[in-house]
Amino acid sequence: DGGITQSPKYLFRKEGQNVTLSCEQNLNHDAMYWYRQDPGQGLRLIYYSQIVNDFQKGDIAEGYSVSREKKESFPLTVTSAQKNPTAFYLCASKDRGGTDTQYFGPGTRLTVL
Amino acid sequence: QKEVEQNSGPLSVPEGAIASLNCTYSDRGSQSFFWYRQYSGKSPELIMFIYSNGDKEDGRFTAQLNKASQYVSLLIRDSQPSDSATYLCAVNNSSGGSYIPTFGRGTSLIVHP
Repeated sequence: DGGITQSPKYLFRKEGQNVTLSCEQNLNHDAMYWYRQDPGQGLRLIYYSQIVNDFQKGDIAEGYSVSREKKESFPLTVTSAQKNPTAFYLCASKDRGGTDTQYFGPGTRLTVL
Repeated sequence: QKEVEQNSGPLSVPEGAIASLNCTYSDRGSQSFFWYRQYSGKSPELIMFIYSNGDKEDGRFTAQLNKASQYVSLLIRDSQPSDSATYLCAVNNSSGGSYIPTFGRGTSLIVHP
């Protein structure tokens, strides 16, 4: 089955630790995105990548880092510099052509203890 | 600053009624418009997209776009309890060649039996 996978589903972090969230897609999509969602809020863009080895900051990139070494993978690292990391993190991808439709992974819920 | 506004709700309708969800946007250059449904704790799933002024129907769902007034709406006919979810509006301006949609905060819909 084609789709987007995110792991882990739940993640607990101690203050001061860096953690990496995984996002993998087998849809052969060029563009990938990371969003953060807080309760009662919409999606806020953290980083996005439109092609391998290239990525851009979104609206709330501070305290986060990404890499795009492979087309299929776009991991997100939440660093200790992110002061309030507890949130629901969503990864999405989009094909270059066709409709402007994003497909979302199931999400990772990060909790800082 | 591109903004997408939605009434947070909750919007409560009886089963079988029509639910009307509205969204306004600030960027006049916006070209594509999307409605996503998000169940609690889950990732957004695409319901409909619309590019042109007017109505677009898909089963019980109708999207309506009015670019002059800068609003897009979603009508759900014969509402069912399973339609109870948060509905996110997303708007994109792809004139720069990139796809970076702006999401609203979502409207919570409750369909009661």
